[in-house]
Amino acid sequence: SQTIHQWPATLVQPVGSPLSLECTVEGTSNPNLYWYRQAAGRGLQLLFYSVGIGQISSEVPQNLSASRPQDRQFILSSKKLLLSDSGFYLCAWSIGEDQPQHFGDGTRLSIL
Amino acid sequence: KNEVEQSPQNLTAQEGEFITINCSYSVGISALHWLQQHPGGGIVSLFMLSSGKKKHGRLIATINIQEKHSSLHITASHPRDSAVYICAVRSRRDDKIIFGKGTRLHILP
Repeated sequence: SQTIHQWPATLVQPVGSPLSLECTVEGTSNPNLYWYRQAAGRGLQLLFYSVGIGQISSEVPQNLSASRPQDRQFILSSKKLLLSDSGFYLCAWSIGEDQPQHFGDGTRLSIL
Repeated sequence: KNEVEQSPQNLTAQEGEFITINCSYSVGISALHWLQQHPGGGIVSLFMLSSGKKKHGRLIATINIQEKHSSLHITASHPRDSAVYICAVRSRRDDKIIFGKGTRLHILP
């Protein structure tokens, strides 16, 4: 069966520090991968999606970036975090577009 | 105006009640998703619809493409159904996913 792992579950970082959140999927090949953010009191926002290794589409301009170095690995990064980057970050996968997405447990990121 | 509107924003009901959450959208879509977000933040995909109706246990989702409207129903609601329910659509125009702001449901025992 397929599983998705996302870590860490909670992260507290100072402003200006770098960020790396990792997401891996097991049990499937060539999944579509997604990074979402949910800011406090706001809805979900799609940040990045990837349909294959090295293929990243950015949905909103920001100081975050994403990379997909391996088929089932999706990394969300920042060189310098801003206060506005605080939020709940979710990784998800699907077998294709318009297919049900399966979510990780999320990372709660607090910027101090 | 948001392209995806959900109603109500908040809903409190007694255990056993029939629950309806509505989602209206203003763009042409290729698919609509209903998601459930638990208090800890974890999200589960409940349904993906492009037409008609789907049922899973006590949950029923319907969509009317002509009216650009979808409903999520919960029969015999239970306190464990308490969560935020989110409607999301994939826009046919630009392929983007657009999320509603969610409906916070609280079922009282």
